[in-house]
Amino acid sequence: AQTVTQSQPEMSVQEAETVTLSCTYDTSESNYYLFWYKQPPSRQMILVIRQEAYKQQNATENRFSVNFQKAAKSFSLKISDSQLGDTAMYFCAFMRPYTGTASKLTFGTGTRLQVTL
Amino acid sequence: NAGVMQNPRHLVRRRGQEARLRCSPVKGHSHVYWYRQLPEEGLKFMVYLQKENIIDESGMPKERFSAEFPKEGPSILRIQQVVRGDSAAYFCASSPLRQGPSSGANVLTFGAGSRLTVL
Repeated sequence: AQTVTQSQPEMSVQEAETVTLSCTYDTSESNYYLFWYKQPPSRQMILVIRQEAYKQQNATENRFSVNFQKAAKSFSLKISDSQLGDTAMYFCAFMRPYTGTASKLTFGTGTRLQVTL
Repeated sequence: NAGVMQNPRHLVRRRGQEARLRCSPVKGHSHVYWYRQLPEEGLKFMVYLQKENIIDESGMPKERFSAEFPKEGPSILRIQQVVRGDSAAYFCASSPLRQGPSSGANVLTFGAGSRLTVL
């Protein structure tokens, strides 16, 4: 079974600064997909960024980028130029490769990020 | 184009009552997933359904919990004889039909969740 570990329960960053959230995972699969989801106080789950394991290039989405280290099974999220609206819980998630139908996600326990003035 | 709609947003039940949570997927999405989030925890997979079929219910408790996705209407997550430990946020997500190995990851679209409180 796959497991996803987020070892930082809480983090704080000042507005305009850069912060990195850590995520490690365990799997025996060689191809898979990794995601970061954001959950603001509204509780809505919002996709931030995704990475396909067979792609060497790290994914980027505007101020959000990942550092994907496949051998180390590490998938960290970097938020640049942090904004107050980035305050949220951030969840790392793993999806197995195509098995016919399922697109089941396995989530980590989350990191609560607080952006301060 | 509406996203995933869940209702009610908040539901309060007394121990022993039944809870019914509804989920309308994104228009055109044929797959529905239910996840449960206990306080201060991540989301845990419960069940995966297609229209009129349960595909994977490996995360569902064996008793009191059931789910359906009828041909017409929303998906329903039903919890009978609720207990305090059922208090949680229940999230529904939907995705389109996955076409094959080269189609990449299915991105799940989540609803805003239904928060169940059992008194």
